[in-house]
Amino acid sequence: AQSVAQPEDQVNVAEGNPLTVKCTYSVSGNPYLFWYVQYPNRGLQFLLKYITGDNLVKGSYGFEAEFNKSQTSFHLKKPSALVSDSALYFCGHYMNRDDKIIFGKGTRLHILP
Amino acid sequence: DTAVSQTPKYLVTQMGNDKSIKCEQNLGHDTMYWYKQDSKKFLKIMFSYNNKELIINETVPNRFSPKSPDKAHLNLHINSLELGDSAVYFCASRRRENTGELFFGEGSRLTVL
Repeated sequence: AQSVAQPEDQVNVAEGNPLTVKCTYSVSGNPYLFWYVQYPNRGLQFLLKYITGDNLVKGSYGFEAEFNKSQTSFHLKKPSALVSDSALYFCGHYMNRDDKIIFGKGTRLHILP
Repeated sequence: DTAVSQTPKYLVTQMGNDKSIKCEQNLGHDTMYWYKQDSKKFLKIMFSYNNKELIINETVPNRFSPKSPDKAHLNLHINSLELGDSAVYFCASRRRENTGELFFGEGSRLTVL
């Protein structure tokens, strides 16, 4: 079955430090991968996507993600974390045949001041 | 202007009742979705519509019936509510050719007592 996995329930990072939120995928064919962020009591917001092309994808709020085919990973990164980055992050995969996005279980990111 | 709006934002009701959640998008998108987010924050797709036509119907009980009167609206009606239906329901939309970039509403928190 096609899926994305987020191995960490929670990630804690000190403000100003680099952050990484992990995502691995298991899909057949070309992966269409996404990151979304959810702030408390809000809907999900799109951050970035990988469809094809450069393995390093830049997105909103200074986030980027690196597509790694050999490791089947699509980790979300940011060079310097802000307290306001604290939120729930979802990795997603678009299933072309079914025209739907499935999401990982989410990773809660805590940026410590 | 709210791009994807859902009403009501909060809904508290008794078991066995019937309730509806409405969703409207003013983005001119072709495809709309309903997702369910449970208490552990897992996101599960329920339905998708494209231009008023049902595309996806995941393994959702028959008590859940979506209706799309036009491509800007996708409503969710739930019959005979059960305790397990308590969740946050998110409506989302996207432009057909824009793979995977969803715009989410703020969510409707349903509590069944």
